[in-house]
Amino acid sequence: AQKVTQAQTEISVVEKEDVTLDCVYETRDTTYYLFWYKQPPSGELVFLIRRNSFDEQNEISGRYSWNFQKSTSSFNFTITASQVVDSAVYFCAPRGAGSYQLTFGKGTKLSVIP
Amino acid sequence: KAGVTQTPRYLIKTRGQQVTLSCSPISGHRSVSWYQQTPGQGLQFLFEYFSETQRNKGNFPGRFSGRQFSNSRSEMNVSTLELGDSALYLCASSPTSRTGNTEAFFGQGTRLTVV
Repeated sequence: AQKVTQAQTEISVVEKEDVTLDCVYETRDTTYYLFWYKQPPSGELVFLIRRNSFDEQNEISGRYSWNFQKSTSSFNFTITASQVVDSAVYFCAPRGAGSYQLTFGKGTKLSVIP
Repeated sequence: KAGVTQTPRYLIKTRGQQVTLSCSPISGHRSVSWYQQTPGQGLQFLFEYFSETQRNKGNFPGRFSGRQFSNSRSEMNVSTLELGDSALYLCASSPTSRTGNTEAFFGQGTRLTVV
């Protein structure tokens, strides 16, 4: 079983600012995957990034980057040079290796102000 | 490639009725999961199907059921609807991989309102 804490309920930033969304997870699985999803007002969950528990290399993909720290069970997500279209609710979700079941946090609502 | 398709998009039902929601996964995806999203409880896992078999079930009453067909399309059914069943129901499909290292792709959801 997994548990997720997204301590930031709502964040507001001005366009072009960088913003980091925090995620702390709990899992008993030794192998697991971590995901970030975005949910715009339309309702559909859009996949953003995936990370394996055995690969702590942090990467950058366009304006997105992530910081995975297994020792502190954190998987933070950063948007660089935010845009108004980034306004959405962002969810962190771990998943054990033996299942396709995602456990979602409460989400962080990001508002990017022009 | 078409995405995950959920029908209908919106539904209004009366308490006590039953409802069936449909989900067509991305072609080739054999795993289908269902989630319920409400303002109070957030996103909660309902169940997951793989090759017509239910592999996992969340903590929901027996009024919630589902099935998967041989073409991987899935339906979920809620009987004896309650006001608290009003929610956005999201379906997700995942490709199969030996390591399980794949992401889920979500449909746009079915917004169910129980009156």
